[in-house]
Amino acid sequence: AQSVTQLDSQVPVFEEAPVELRCNYSSSVSVYLFWYVQYPNQGLQLLLKYLSGSTLVESINGFEAEFNKSQTSFHLRKPSVHISDTAEYFCAVSGHSGGSNYKLTFGKGTLLTVNP
Amino acid sequence: GAVVSQHPSRVICKSGTSVKIECRSLDFQATTMFWYRQFPKQSLMLMATSNEGSKATYEQGVEKDKFLINHASLTLSTLTVTSAHPEDSSFYICSARDITSDQETQYFGPGTRLLVL
Repeated sequence: AQSVTQLDSQVPVFEEAPVELRCNYSSSVSVYLFWYVQYPNQGLQLLLKYLSGSTLVESINGFEAEFNKSQTSFHLRKPSVHISDTAEYFCAVSGHSGGSNYKLTFGKGTLLTVNP
Repeated sequence: GAVVSQHPSRVICKSGTSVKIECRSLDFQATTMFWYRQFPKQSLMLMATSNEGSKATYEQGVEKDKFLINHASLTLSTLTVTSAHPEDSSFYICSARDITSDQETQYFGPGTRLLVL
């Protein structure tokens, strides 16, 4: 079984400031890690993912996340945020042992609010 | 690529009626689709895993006779909320995995907001 903890329920920042959204997980098996973004009244969009290889992964809109196995973390960062980044961000984990069927376990989400 | 649609996007119904929600993978085939429920300002709760050509697997606490799932083809899964009650009002989101590539990743639909009066 897996669990995901997003330590901050809300993160307010000013435009062009850096931001870090924290995510820690626990699992008894090897995991895949994901960040999804949800805009109001919409479904989830995949932001970035870690499956294997380089522990630093990037999205096309400037976000990055680093898989840290020793700290069981997958924090999301962006050096300079825009108003349009305002949204709910969900960290998720799936186990990739046999029979897991890649089911996702989500954190409770972090609401990022970018203010002018 | 990897686009998932849901229909309808919003539905309002009377208590006691049944509502069907469709989830389609538009540009890929999905042997597995997932149905989630999301309450306001909360995370997603997995309800069931929908498997093409076989019975769905429900999570603990989810009534399979209440939430009927049919996955008749590689691109379509349906969720029917039977005899809906106001407490069934929620945001229902489906996701799908592309079996031919990137099968570790779930792609989500835009969601269906159900309001039961």
